[in-house]
Amino acid sequence: DSGVTQTPKHLITATGQRVTLRCSPRSGDLSVYWYQQSLDQGLQFLIQYYNGEERAKGNILERFSAQQFPDLHSELNLSSLELGDSALYFCASSVWTSGTDTQYFGPGTRLTVL
Amino acid sequence: AQSVAQPEDQVNVAEGNPLTVKCTYSVSGNPYLFWYVQYPNRGLQFLLKYITGDNLVKGSYGFEAEFNKSQTSFHLKKPSALVSDSALYFCAVRPSILTGGGNKLTFGTGTQLKVEL
Repeated sequence: DSGVTQTPKHLITATGQRVTLRCSPRSGDLSVYWYQQSLDQGLQFLIQYYNGEERAKGNILERFSAQQFPDLHSELNLSSLELGDSALYFCASSVWTSGTDTQYFGPGTRLTVL
Repeated sequence: AQSVAQPEDQVNVAEGNPLTVKCTYSVSGNPYLFWYVQYPNRGLQFLLKYITGDNLVKGSYGFEAEFNKSQTSFHLKKPSALVSDSALYFCAVRPSILTGGGNKLTFGTGTQLKVEL
């Protein structure tokens, strides 16, 4: 168990809908990362937050947005969902050890868009 | 831009035999390299990382990895494979802090390891 929690585990919804994925980082970790894992794209970095501020952006669609709250939990909002958004969405939080930060991943949320 | 290649989609090995999962990378400056393992319906678990120093890095569950700068490789190894090691293995890279490339990890496509009796 990494200490990173994600809810819900599974989400089934229809095209055009909006969903919110939630992540709680490990105690004390200030950074939260979101990744998408799909069969055709592999594991792709979406976005990073550090202590409430957006720090880096990757291949995140404009229909997707995220935020990190004062208690450091984070939410990833996906809107106008398409079939191709079906994927596993991982959250990771990082701790600084031995000269760099190591990212620890949550169990993921499996999103199915029908 | 940074990238990682895992040339084998699947590696099969008999239990008790040594295993190697290959990884090559491309990054500006000195790399930070990581191996993660993913079991079915689970998240990624951190195995080990290379920052600097000794080219042989030891990690969890008896795994180790060898960093080779001239070949830009970071192969994962284990002297004696177990059936329970069967899983999906990911290599990842990020540039060093001095390069200023940010913290995002770039992952390879993954290698399915199958250890058979």
